[in-house]
Amino acid sequence: EPEVTQTPSHQVTQMGQEVILRCVPISNHLYFYWYRQILGQKVEFLVSFYNNEISEKSEIFDDQFSVERPDGSNFTLKIRSTKLEDSAMYFCASRLTRGSYEQYFGPGTRLTVT
Amino acid sequence: AQSVTQPDIHITVSEGASLELRCNYSYGATPYLFWYVQSPGQGLQLLLKYFSGDTLVQGIKGFEAEFKRSQSSFNLRKPSVHWSDAAEYFCAVGARYAGNNRKLIWGLGTSLAVNP
Repeated sequence: EPEVTQTPSHQVTQMGQEVILRCVPISNHLYFYWYRQILGQKVEFLVSFYNNEISEKSEIFDDQFSVERPDGSNFTLKIRSTKLEDSAMYFCASRLTRGSYEQYFGPGTRLTVT
Repeated sequence: AQSVTQPDIHITVSEGASLELRCNYSYGATPYLFWYVQSPGQGLQLLLKYFSGDTLVQGIKGFEAEFKRSQSSFNLRKPSVHWSDAAEYFCAVGARYAGNNRKLIWGLGTSLAVNP
């Protein structure tokens, strides 16, 4: 069964460093998402992406964040200068078509900023 | 604003007992609704979903959920809990008419512990 994959599973970085979280969505899906879950808090929407552009972003997704689909398979989330409060689990998800509702989630990347 | 409330932060049940996890939502129209489960160290697995039609929906692992429009609820149930059901359970809602987006709004989650 096709699945969303994410790498790395755990990333430790120092404050101020850039990190790139990688996701490979399900191959024929068209819509892509990043969510994050700070420990003990709700899963929060960060950004949605379709047709090579951001379709919606939350207030969390400020200028320090960017997303890219550099090729036909990868979907990346970049944090330019990490802060302690960026420590969280980051989930990638993909959705098939405009008419579909279900999002398929990857296993997540745990980002720890020290 | 859209929101999801899961009133129970932690629930402990005995193996074989029945389970009900509560979910209430606030949304201007009928949303589409999901329950996800997250086992320790794992990602988010879809248990079941409601889009339309029969308000009682069946999911994987023997779970079911009932959509009650009058109560703005979508409670998750299982008649007999297994030790392997110990996990974090999340209720999520999404906009039915949101164009290309369909982002999900999440509850805080309910942590389920199962006593042998």
